[in-house]
Amino acid sequence: DAGITQSPRHKVTETGTPVTLRCHQTENHRYMYWYRQDPGHGLRLIHYSYGVKDTDKGEVSDGYSVSRSKTEDFLLTLESATSSQTSVYFCASAGTSGRRAYEQYFGPGTRLTVT
Amino acid sequence: DQQVKQNSPSLSVQEGRISILNCDYTNSMFDYFLWYKKYPAEGPTFLISISSIKDKNEDGRFTVFLNKSAKHLSLHIVPSQPGDSAVYFCAAKRPLGEKLTFGTGTRLTIIP
Repeated sequence: DAGITQSPRHKVTETGTPVTLRCHQTENHRYMYWYRQDPGHGLRLIHYSYGVKDTDKGEVSDGYSVSRSKTEDFLLTLESATSSQTSVYFCASAGTSGRRAYEQYFGPGTRLTVT
Repeated sequence: DQQVKQNSPSLSVQEGRISILNCDYTNSMFDYFLWYKKYPAEGPTFLISISSIKDKNEDGRFTVFLNKSAKHLSLHIVPSQPGDSAVYFCAAKRPLGEKLTFGTGTRLTIIP
């Protein structure tokens, strides 16, 4: 399995505060993704990256920004957290480590609560 | 627009019997389909996949069937085991794309 870690694993924050979630992978994967999982919605793509400094929006990108300055790290930032962003956030990666590029490998998730 | 749909939020099956999880899609351009399994408090893990040029792919107890004319795929688990209790997501990919579109998931419970 791909080595993907997420930090923090749990976070409680107040409405209006900025929050940054970190994803780190050790597989030298080209592609990285941020999803949120909510009841009744499954996994929805927030942002993704196809290389260092190359990112694009997913289907639920409003209120989120991302940055990728190194191959191994992909940061998700909530500029001003809202209660609607309470969710479980998953990072995933895919790419060129001998596995097919479309098979994404997921981190353990970050449970974020915005009060 | 939910392009990948899993219409059954939950399914209960007795241990040893066959579990059949279903997934429907609307975009005929999808060229690859995947199933992921998710345990509580863990990230999803890749289970099995199928290319749109095939109609069946088998891996041990897991078989995925694709019916392109009906835009339907299914995951069969035979025989079902208690460790199969999890949420199962189907996902689909467009040609030349790096993104997956996921369904809403089906919670499978295997009854001992």
